[in-house]
Amino acid sequence: DIQMTQSPSSLSASLGDRVTITCRSSQSIRNYLNWYKQKPGKVPELLISAASSLHSGVPSRFSGGGSGTDFTLTISSLQPEDFATYYCQQSYNFPWTFGQGTKVEIK
Amino acid sequence: EVQLVESGGGLVQPGGSLRLSCAASGFAFSNFALTWVRQAPGKGLEWVSSISGHSGSTFYTDSVKGRFTISRDNSKNTLYLQMNSLRAEDTALYYCARDSVVVPAGQDSFSYWGQGTLVTVSS
Repeated sequence: DIQMTQSPSSLSASLGDRVTITCRSSQSIRNYLNWYKQKPGKVPELLISAASSLHSGVPSRFSGGGSGTDFTLTISSLQPEDFATYYCQQSYNFPWTFGQGTKVEIK
Repeated sequence: EVQLVESGGGLVQPGGSLRLSCAASGFAFSNFALTWVRQAPGKGLEWVSSISGHSGSTFYTDSVKGRFTISRDNSKNTLYLQMNSLRAEDTALYYCARDSVVVPAGQDSFSYWGQGTLVTVSS
């Protein structure tokens, strides 16, 4: 199975901060990498697919990059609604696997 | 508007069975693969199973192979997950999700999610 490792597991940031979350896969997954956001008690939402394609309706302050084994999710200016847990997920090989999540909290 | 509504969760004893359903609307049902993802209380997301648009291909995580069966009825726009020989570690909120492709592979993502149905396995 492909292991997905996110770092950090949690971070504290202030409104307006630039935040970057990293996701590393245990083998190359080309660009078959998706990012999801989940607020407490809410349903996960797709943010980015294919490493860098913004899903419809997602604000442009979100961006994704990377290929192979190393990927990033960047929020250019943190907004109140961005405090949530973020997950990466690979769709290169079954079983599809998720990272453990990165919780973004208010400083 | 895409809608996915899960049902069928509940409390079941270890070794018991449940059948989850996911009623879909707002899109051409057979044109998209569908997936079950679960989330144990306080834990992260775990992919469980996926099925292609015309049911020709099914996929399972190892921990449920031989116990769970995914299926769909394209005439009823409904996805199912038959869960047998349930274990305590199957306790989770089960989400139905719509894939972005008709056959789960490669450039696939979970574009839409239901609200989830809670399965609790306990004596």
